[in-house]
Amino acid sequence: QVQLVESGGGSVNPGGSVRLSCAASGLFFPAYYMSWVRQTPGKGLQWVANISQTGTDTSYTESVRGRFTISRDNGRNLLFLHLASLRVEDTAVYYCATEHWGALDNWGQGTLVTVSS
Amino acid sequence: DIVLTQSPDFQSVTPKEIVTITCRASQSIGSNLHWYQQKPEESPKLLIKFASQSISGVPSRFSGSGFGTDFTLTINSLEAEDAAVYFCHQTTSLPYTFGQGTKLEIK
Repeated sequence: QVQLVESGGGSVNPGGSVRLSCAASGLFFPAYYMSWVRQTPGKGLQWVANISQTGTDTSYTESVRGRFTISRDNGRNLLFLHLASLRVEDTAVYYCATEHWGALDNWGQGTLVTVSS
Repeated sequence: DIVLTQSPDFQSVTPKEIVTITCRASQSIGSNLHWYQQKPEESPKLLIKFASQSISGVPSRFSGSGFGTDFTLTINSLEAEDAAVYFCHQTTSLPYTFGQGTKLEIK
């Protein structure tokens, strides 16, 4: 059974940074594209970034490009999202998900990042 | 960016009804359209992929159709446990985008 567990969320000041982790189990992690998706009450679901199986290819939504970095450690079955230069509007629940030709077929439970002074 | 517009935003229905939720894309996306169900306090769950492909473990009362710009999620013989928010999602081009969601309330 596939399990994705996010961690690392919390309260951060504007301009600050935080690193989210996603621990994967029950799957051959190196075989999967992975995505981060965030959810806010006001803006619904927003795809944030994804990363190829080997980590060589990454993509970002425009509003986070240059501030967020997605990475992975296939040896430890871990996915990361480093969030920097955080803004109030980055406040959201962040989910990691496995991606199969784009469809997000397994999701974690999410971790909340709150950006506030 | 491709905009996905769902309708309705909210629907109140009784058990055993047939429910249809539509998703319209701002440009053609072929069949690269997926549907998710999100129950309160839970993460989204994939219901239908590539417009009409079923997902293992998802009840057969859920089905999808459409191609290009117009898509439909159909729930046959609605059950109380289907109370949730439903989202469509396109993966034709980056950035992937989601519809705004349709909240389904069971009377």
